Amino acid sequence: EDQVTQSPEALRLQEGESSSLNCSYTVSGLRGLFWYRQDPGKGPEFLFTLYSAGEEKEKERLKATLTKKESFLHITAPKPEDSATYLCAVRPNSGYSTLTFGKGTMLLVSP
Amino acid sequence: EADIYQTPRYLVIGTGKKITLECSQTMGHDKMYWYQQDPGMELHLIHYSYGVNSTEKGDLSSESTVSRIRTEHFPLTLESARPSHTSQYLCASSESSGEQYFGPGTRLTVT
Repeated sequence: EDQVTQSPEALRLQEGESSSLNCSYTVSGLRGLFWYRQDPGKGPEFLFTLYSAGEEKEKERLKATLTKKESFLHITAPKPEDSATYLCAVRPNSGYSTLTFGKGTMLLVSP
Repeated sequence: EADIYQTPRYLVIGTGKKITLECSQTMGHDKMYWYQQDPGMELHLIHYSYGVNSTEKGDLSSESTVSRIRTEHFPLTLESARPSHTSQYLCASSESSGEQYFGPGTRLTVT
């Protein structure tokens, strides 16, 4: 059974204080790992797709990396507007497009 | 503009009522999904469709039903709402790469 575990559950940072969020996964062959941002009361917003170990993607203050067992979302010099819940999801090699999501990390950046 | 729409955004309804949650997309995607999300919890897939007249049940058992008569429309119906159905319902669509794009969600409260 595919599993996604995200840590920490919640993270509070000061503005400008860089940190990383972790996503550990077990899947029967990884076809893709996805990162989303979700603001309260809204649907998740797509950020990145990673396909193979060693791959990195960047967008503004966010950088996602992937190994064979986990992915990290690095946040460099965060701002209060980066406050949100960050979700990780995996797509197995089963041939379908369904995703398995983790519970997310709730990030709060204080000014 | 390509987007995915859900109506209503909020719904408060009494036990036993029949309800239909609407989801439409102008993304041109064949695949569509319905998720259920409780506060602080992960998204659970309840239904998905790979195209017109194709529907499948997801990982989470649900008393809801779906239909896919048109590519852009994927409504979800509850024949008899119960308090246990209180949750946030999220609709998504994707292309073959697997990246799913979400609507804003419907927050359902059954009293």
